[in-house]
Amino acid sequence: GQQVMQIPQYQHVQEGEDFTTYCNSSTTLSNIQWYKQRPGGHPVFLIQLVKSGEVKKQKRLTFQFGEAKKNSSLHITATQTTDVGTYFCAGGSGGSNYKLTFGKGTLLTVNP
Amino acid sequence: DTEVTQTPKHLVMGMTNKKSLKCEQHMGHRAMYWYKQKAKKPPELMFVYSYEKLSINESVPSRFSPECPNSSLLNLHLHALQPEDSALYLCASSRGTGGIYEQYFGPGTRLTVT
Repeated sequence: GQQVMQIPQYQHVQEGEDFTTYCNSSTTLSNIQWYKQRPGGHPVFLIQLVKSGEVKKQKRLTFQFGEAKKNSSLHITATQTTDVGTYFCAGGSGGSNYKLTFGKGTLLTVNP
Repeated sequence: DTEVTQTPKHLVMGMTNKKSLKCEQHMGHRAMYWYKQKAKKPPELMFVYSYEKLSINESVPSRFSPECPNSSLLNLHLHALQPEDSALYLCASSRGTGGIYEQYFGPGTRLTVT
């Protein structure tokens, strides 16, 4: 079945440093979504990418979807303590039985 | 209202008990989902309902039985669970299935099976 690999598993940064997490799929994706889960919380939707090579920005967050629609990245510029949490990518399978397959997530901790 | 509510927040049950988890949304979403999440792991899809019909069952053991009484409600009936079923159970909803819709997650029910 579809697999979505996400690295790194953990990332600890000093406040103000940049952060990037990467996702790779074993198959071509129809779309990719990114979610953030704060400690003790639930996943919250951040963004969706659909087109090959797409780049979207949300303030300090930049999301990219690869040309082959098999990889994606999330980059945070100048991290803040409010960025702490686990970031999950979730790849869409397409087709009539569409479902999202989540990557294992990257836990970001920020030292103030 | 962009909220998905889940009750109860916490549940402790024995292996012989029968209990139910409840999920509700009033966003007019036509797809609803049950996920299971273990600590430090991603959400794992269990069931998908589309227009109140079960469209995906990810080979979940029969001790978990979903039900969608109407377009706003989703239940998960639990019976004869095992300790390894202890986890956070998340409900989510989206406007539809088919990939282009973001999922809204509820806060989850933290289940402990003793």
